[in-house]
Amino acid sequence: SAVISQKPSRDICQRGTSLTIQCQVDSQVTMMFWYRQQPGQSLTLIATANQGSEATYESGFVIDKFPISRPNLTFSTLTVSNMSPEDSSIYLCSVEPWGPGYNEQFFGPGTRLTVL
Amino acid sequence: DQQVKQNSPSLSVQEGRISILNCDYTNSMFDYFLWYKKYPAEGPTFLISISSIKDKNEDGRFTVFLNKSAKHLSLHIVPSQPGDSAVYFCAALYNFNKFYFGSGTKLNVKP
Repeated sequence: SAVISQKPSRDICQRGTSLTIQCQVDSQVTMMFWYRQQPGQSLTLIATANQGSEATYESGFVIDKFPISRPNLTFSTLTVSNMSPEDSSIYLCSVEPWGPGYNEQFFGPGTRLTVL
Repeated sequence: DQQVKQNSPSLSVQEGRISILNCDYTNSMFDYFLWYKKYPAEGPTFLISISSIKDKNEDGRFTVFLNKSAKHLSLHIVPSQPGDSAVYFCAALYNFNKFYFGSGTKLNVKP
């Protein structure tokens, strides 16, 4: 398994500001993922972050709004930029520690963001 | 478009009885299906999975059934225990690479 930590665990932010969420894994992994869980909705993939390359964003998500860094194989950040109340959500990072095809993902505890 | 749906946001079951959580999907090309359990303030944890070439997989008290013709997946928990109270997500895997998650079902097992 992989142990994943996220910072902050929760935050309350003002409209128009930005928040950077950190994700730390206890082992080196190739692929890291960022998800959003909005109230009553599906867990939605924002982007895939591979070390050494640009993140790949899913439809409806853009780099200007959700810039991602992946400086090494154990760490990634997701920034939620120019926030609005619609960005209030739980943000989770996850990894596939054994690579594609093994079918199991491990998730961080999530960051609960409230935008006023 | 939501390709994986869990139409019951909540379910309440008496301890010792069976819990049945349901999941429907729209894409017949999904390769693999998984169930995750999530406690408050924690990330989802993997519970059980099933390949699209099978119709049943059992692991202790947990059994997952797959009905491909109906595009329906279910998780059975027998017997249910209070510690099973959590939110359960079903997920489908496309091309062994991309996950699609349902919105979750909150299970409450009453002592």
